[in-house]
Amino acid sequence: DQQVKQNSPSLSVQEGRISILNCDYTNSMFDYFLWYKKYPAEGPTFLISISSIKDKNEDGRFTVFLNKSAKHLSLHIVPSQPGDSAVYFCAASARSSGAGSYQLTFGKGTKLSVIP
Amino acid sequence: DTGVSQDPRHKITKRGQNVTFRCDPISEHNRLYWYRQTLGQGPEFLTYFQNEAQLEKSRLLSDRFSAERPKGSFSTLEIQRTEQGDSAMYLCASSLGTRNTEAFFGQGTRLTVV
Repeated sequence: DQQVKQNSPSLSVQEGRISILNCDYTNSMFDYFLWYKKYPAEGPTFLISISSIKDKNEDGRFTVFLNKSAKHLSLHIVPSQPGDSAVYFCAASARSSGAGSYQLTFGKGTKLSVIP
Repeated sequence: DTGVSQDPRHKITKRGQNVTFRCDPISEHNRLYWYRQTLGQGPEFLTYFQNEAQLEKSRLLSDRFSAERPKGSFSTLEIQRTEQGDSAMYLCASSLGTRNTEAFFGQGTRLTVV
């Protein structure tokens, strides 16, 4: 059973426009959410995170929104640039459950293509 | 410190052989993780170390797999009697032992079992 779902395998966006990547989760214990970006043949690179006590976190062109009641989060990239073309992974962690590994549960990823 | 380092980057081995991968985490990070990623999937958790202690293991980690972090610094992941299904990208990550810090990943070791 997939606890973190990214239902769009791919997304194409024109340069300068907004990219919106979506992620749904099923485990109510998740309380920390992260987005990672991955280029081919490289490891994931951390992009932005959000704690469940917030509903929005912004870092430059990247904003993550969290809707806890819907168990849904989204990553907005504005404006999109060709260098943003990569696979984006949503990940979640249950950090308030006491001593634990803080292991990440990942979605399958969404491949973003930003067209010049 | 340039981040999490993994060696080798690529490994091709024949079925039945043993392989060992190394991970050097960011120096001040006490938490170290191993993940595996196959084509079309996100990374899947394998095991976790806090300092030298291996505290969690996924059910994905069969008895052919063993991981160590002998001095709480670098870690090794060994796969014995490799099978074709072991072909994957093996990723190492490290983080500080505080709640809201992200894990930093290495570039991974791509294993191909032929």
